Formats: sequence, structure tokens, C-alpha cells
Amino acid sequence: KQEVTQIPAALSVPEGENLVLNCSFTDSAIYNLQWFRQDPGKGLTSLLLIQSSQREQTSGRLNASLDKSSGRSTLYIAASQPGDSATYLCAVNRVGNYGGSQGNLIFGKGTKLSVKP
Amino acid sequence: DTGVSQDPRHKITKRGQNVTFRCDPISEHNRLYWYRQTLGQGPEFLTYFQNEAQLEKSRLLSDRFSAERPKGSFSTLEIQRTEQGDSAMYLCASSLGDSEAFFGQGTRLTVV
Repeated sequence: KQEVTQIPAALSVPEGENLVLNCSFTDSAIYNLQWFRQDPGKGLTSLLLIQSSQREQTSGRLNASLDKSSGRSTLYIAASQPGDSATYLCAVNRVGNYGGSQGNLIFGKGTKLSVKP
Repeated sequence: DTGVSQDPRHKITKRGQNVTFRCDPISEHNRLYWYRQTLGQGPEFLTYFQNEAQLEKSRLLSDRFSAERPKGSFSTLEIQRTEQGDSAMYLCASSLGDSEAFFGQGTRLTVV
């Protein structure tokens, strides 16, 4: 059974710091991994999608890495800003029976980030 | 707005009543997913459709829950005889095949 763990559960940093959020998963047979941002009471905003064959993806100040063999992904945020304050969720999509994706995402509980001005 | 749209955004209902939520996916997306999220937890998968076919249902989806996507476009999620434990955020997402999933803003259900 695939389980996704995110550490730490909460993180508070001063503005301008670079930071790393961690995600680990128990079954390395993943199709892809997706990072999301969630603001309080809102839906999820997709940040980055990494296919199982990729090692990293970058979008602006965000960089996500994937190490399937060790069951880990990290989300690196450069030069953090107060507007980055949100909960960050990691989700894995497993390989299905016919080589495509299983279909459903399995989520961690998230890391709640607070960036202080 | 071409994103995933959910209606209503908030619903308060009395225990025992039936409720129905609607999700309109991104227009060209063939897959549509329903998730449930409670406070402090990540979203949990409920069910998903590829076009109009319901391909997978979670064990979380009890007999009181039913989802439809009759024409492969919008979807509805109905909860019958609501219980207080059904209080949660219900999230809909869509994707084009195995690609990136995009989520709506969710429907927050409160059962009193």
C-alpha cells in the first residue's frame, strides 16, 4: 500500500530564506509525482509535475526533485516571500495495471509554511 | 474562466438530508476525479471517471454516495442521508489522460 509522508508538518521562516520541503513515499512504482499549494479554505493549485523518468522540474523560484529509488521528492523554494505562505501538498500517481497511471493521486498531509516579513 | 468549476462553494444541511454537488471540468479533459478532505489531512480519493465510465471507486465511497458523469462532461456527487461525519471539503479535479491534474475550489459541506 502506497503511503506518502511529508516532513515537517509546519515550517516558519523569515522572508528571503531558501527552504526545502520533503516528501517520501513507500512504493517506488510511481507514474508521476505532483506538488500542490493550498491556501486556507481553498482548492489546490498545481505547482509542478514530475514524471517518473525525470529527476527534476523547475518553475520560477520553485524546483522539485525526484529520487524514485529512495522514495523521496523535495520542493525547493528560493528567496521565500510572505505570499508563499500556504500548505504544500505532495501527491503520487501509481503505475496502473496496463502501464499507464493508476488514476488516483495519493496525498501526504502537507507542510504548512509561514513566511514572516 | 476555463478552470475546474464546482458548485455550490458552501453547503450547510441537516443530518439525514440528501445533498448534490456539481463539477464542471476543464472542457477538453477526459478524466474527472472526486476527493474528500478533512481538516489537517490531505485529500482522499473517492472515485474517478474516464469520459462517462466510472473506472474506480474507493472503499470510502459508501452506499450513501453516488457519482455520475452522464455525458462525459460535468459530474455530480450525491450524498444520501447525510451524517455529521460527512462534513468535509469535497474537491473535484480533471486531467487529460495521465497528465497534470487540476483542481477546483471545492465544496465545503457542513452537516448539523
